[in-house]
Amino acid sequence: DGGITQSPKYLFRKEGQNVTLSCEQNLNHDAMYWYRQDPGQGLRLIYYSQIVNDFQKGDIAEGYSVSREKKESFPLTVTSAQKNPTAFYLCASGTGAYNEQFFGPGTRLTVL
Amino acid sequence: GENVEQHPSTLSVQEGDSAVIKCTYSDSASNYFPWYKQELGKRPQLIIDIRSNVGEKKDQRIAVTLNKTAKHFSLHITETQPEDSAVYFCAARGSGGYQKVTFGIGTKLQVIP
Repeated sequence: DGGITQSPKYLFRKEGQNVTLSCEQNLNHDAMYWYRQDPGQGLRLIYYSQIVNDFQKGDIAEGYSVSREKKESFPLTVTSAQKNPTAFYLCASGTGAYNEQFFGPGTRLTVL
Repeated sequence: GENVEQHPSTLSVQEGDSAVIKCTYSDSASNYFPWYKQELGKRPQLIIDIRSNVGEKKDQRIAVTLNKTAKHFSLHITETQPEDSAVYFCAARGSGGYQKVTFGIGTKLQVIP
């Protein structure tokens, strides 16, 4: 999973601002995912993409947007419409018939 | 869709004892069950997985069992060590065109030296 990078590691945002979280992978995986992690709530799926130029909403997509213009990249934008954006955001990529997922190091977003 | 329940939410064991974490799933067509370990502030890392055509899998001190009839699977850690302290997540890959993986809420394991 060393082939998945996320930046920045920490991000601070003022209310009303949009911010974009970066996720890059060099594992040649077709599928990529964004999860949000809050204490005591496990991992919740925000968006996923199975192939370039295609992505789908997950369980908690409201207030978020993504793009998938390149196989290696799947950036996540947290918009001002997201009411409670402070959380730990994890990107993952998946491969194989069983969709084995490998995670990036995460970005901790704090809204001031 | 798939629903995964995990328990206990916290678990404390003495060093050297065994730890067991249990999960149930709802989609009888689910066919892949990974377990992840997440240390504080770090990424979840895959530690072991099991597929629906197998009942048990072991890797050194870690083993996973699957009961398809009852729709539950468990993680067993033997001879626990302080470095086993972490949050453990179970997950299940459901059926359907999209290979969605649904995670449990996690179990915080504390190994007391």
